[in-house]
Amino acid sequence: AQTVTQSQPEMSVQEAETVTLSCTYDTSENNYYLFWYKQPPSRQMILVIRQEAYKQQNATENRFSVNFQKAAKSFSLKISDSQLGDTAMYFCAFMGDSNYQLIWGAGTKLIIKP
Amino acid sequence: DTGVSQNPRHKITKRGQNVTFRCDPISEHNRLYWYRQTLGQGPEFLTYFQNEAQLEKSRLLSDRFSAERPKGSFSTLEIQRTEQGDSAMYLCASSLELAKETQYFGPGTRLLVL
Repeated sequence: AQTVTQSQPEMSVQEAETVTLSCTYDTSENNYYLFWYKQPPSRQMILVIRQEAYKQQNATENRFSVNFQKAAKSFSLKISDSQLGDTAMYFCAFMGDSNYQLIWGAGTKLIIKP
Repeated sequence: DTGVSQNPRHKITKRGQNVTFRCDPISEHNRLYWYRQTLGQGPEFLTYFQNEAQLEKSRLLSDRFSAERPKGSFSTLEIQRTEQGDSAMYLCASSLELAKETQYFGPGTRLLVL
């Protein structure tokens, strides 16, 4: 069975700093999809970035980038120039090639301090 | 354009009562998903529809849970004989009918069973 592990329950950084959130996963599939979602307090889940496992190039979306290490089964999220609005729960999620359900980590609570 | 909407946003019920939640997906999205999220955890997959067909069901979806999508548009999730352990946020998501398209989430329905 696939599993997703986020080992950092909570992180806190100053505004404008760079922060990296960790995610590891376990799967026997060769092709799959990885996602980072953000859930601000009392607001809905929003996609931050996605990565297809067959793509070697790491995905980037403005201040957000990933470090995808397929052999190590690692998928970390880097947030550059952090902003107060980045304060949220961040979830790493996995989708195998054989189905459409997302498997989620427990989340990392990120606090950006002014 | 409206995103995924869910109603009600909050529901308080007494143990043993039945409850029904509604999800309206983004209009052109053929796929619809239900997840459950308990406090401090990542979401857990419950079930998934492609148009009106229910294609995947988690073992979490006990006999007391039933989901429908009768005309391939909105979906309902019913919980019969609610238990305190059913207290959670119930999330709905939708996606296009293309391979591994991103799932877009609604605001959720928070259920409290007393």
